[in-house]
Amino acid sequence: QVQLVQSGAEVKKPGASVKVSCKASGYTFTSYDINWVRQATGQGLEWMGWMNPNSGNTGYAQKFQGRVTMTRNTSISTAYMELSSLRSEDTAVYYCAKGNRYGMDVWGQGTTVTVSS
Amino acid sequence: DIVMTQTPLSSPVTLGQPASISCRSSQSLVHSDGNTYLSWLQQRPGQPPRLLIYKISNRFSGVPDRFSGSGAGTDFTLKISRVEAEDVGVYYCTQATQFPWTFGQGTKVEIK
Repeated sequence: QVQLVQSGAEVKKPGASVKVSCKASGYTFTSYDINWVRQATGQGLEWMGWMNPNSGNTGYAQKFQGRVTMTRNTSISTAYMELSSLRSEDTAVYYCAKGNRYGMDVWGQGTTVTVSS
Repeated sequence: DIVMTQTPLSSPVTLGQPASISCRSSQSLVHSDGNTYLSWLQQRPGQPPRLLIYKISNRFSGVPDRFSGSGAGTDFTLKISRVEAEDVGVYYCTQATQFPWTFGQGTKVEIK
């Protein structure tokens, strides 16, 4: 079945970087965009950006420009999201989601990132 | 950025009764290609979001037909014809017409 499996929880200090992985299976990885969405505890959803796994093209929300980098390794059908200069406000669950304008139709299980000194 | 505003933020519903959630966007969601990229997501407690409806009114694969979407331009509605226990959760509208994609604040559906 189509699924996205994300890497495990991370605890980071302020100023550090975190890299979350998202491994795709059950479909052709390079055929569908991967989006990244985050959710602070008890809060709503926030779209961070997208990546085309075939071309590597990306688009980031302005809020994260300069701090976020989305990459992929097509040989292992895995997408990555790296967020740098972490601050406490970045504490959240980070999701990858397959899809495009028509909808994000498959979601990873989420990766909890905690930023604390 | 396009602001998505949902009402109500909380909706206590009796099992078997209907529920309705409204979503309003700060500008038209009609894309230059003629499509309107308005989707609805369901997030059950402790789960990732799940796609229910895309392009206003299209049910995603496996979504029960008690869920329906409607609307146009800036005003959209998600309806659940008869709420079941498994429908408890938070529902989000989301637009993908213009970057950055944005979400409504979420509407919590709970059983009375």
